[in-house]
Amino acid sequence: TQLLEQSPQFLSIQEGENLTVYCNSSSVFSSLQWYRQEPGEGPVLLVTVVTGGEVKKLKRLTFQFGDARKDSSLHITAAQPGDTGLYLCAGSSWAGKSTFGDGTTLTVKP
Amino acid sequence: DTEVTQTPKHLVMGMTNKKSLKCEQHMGHRAMYWYKQKAKKPPELMFVYSYEKLSINESVPSRFSPECPNSSLLNLHLHALQPEDSALYLCASSQALLGPQHFGDGTRLSIL
Repeated sequence: TQLLEQSPQFLSIQEGENLTVYCNSSSVFSSLQWYRQEPGEGPVLLVTVVTGGEVKKLKRLTFQFGDARKDSSLHITAAQPGDTGLYLCAGSSWAGKSTFGDGTTLTVKP
Repeated sequence: DTEVTQTPKHLVMGMTNKKSLKCEQHMGHRAMYWYKQKAKKPPELMFVYSYEKLSINESVPSRFSPECPNSSLLNLHLHALQPEDSALYLCASSQALLGPQHFGDGTRLSIL
């Protein structure tokens, strides 16, 4: 079974601060996705990373895939209240399964 | 607006009822998924369909029965559920089995 450890589990910060969420595994993934989920809605895909060492930017969000394709990070610069939500990483295996991390609940206070 | 549509949004049923959850996507995706999600927890995979064939069943109890009538539709038939089955049921689709998934907004299911 492939496990993904996500940290921190909870994060409460003030508007304007920076933060990083980590997603770690001992397994290699073919690709890794980051999702954000708001209450009452399904997860929304933010990014997919495929190549080891890959860095992708989405406005104030920076995603990095580890060189060995076992870990990833999400960095948010100057967080805003609209960034509040549950952030989920998910690793895709070659068997077609997605393994989700336990999620990081982010609260950004105005 | 999500491109994966789930109905109903909310469902309350007794333990002896039979009901179905429906999921529809028109993105031409060939893989579709059912997940169960409890509050503040990640989605748990239940079933995966690839090209309308059941590809993965994560040892889900038989009171949950999936069906894929065509490439755009995915159903989850429910019968004799237990209170612990109360959860948000999410449907997702992807272009292929290994691709990133697009989720619907889920059906909030409550078992009395």
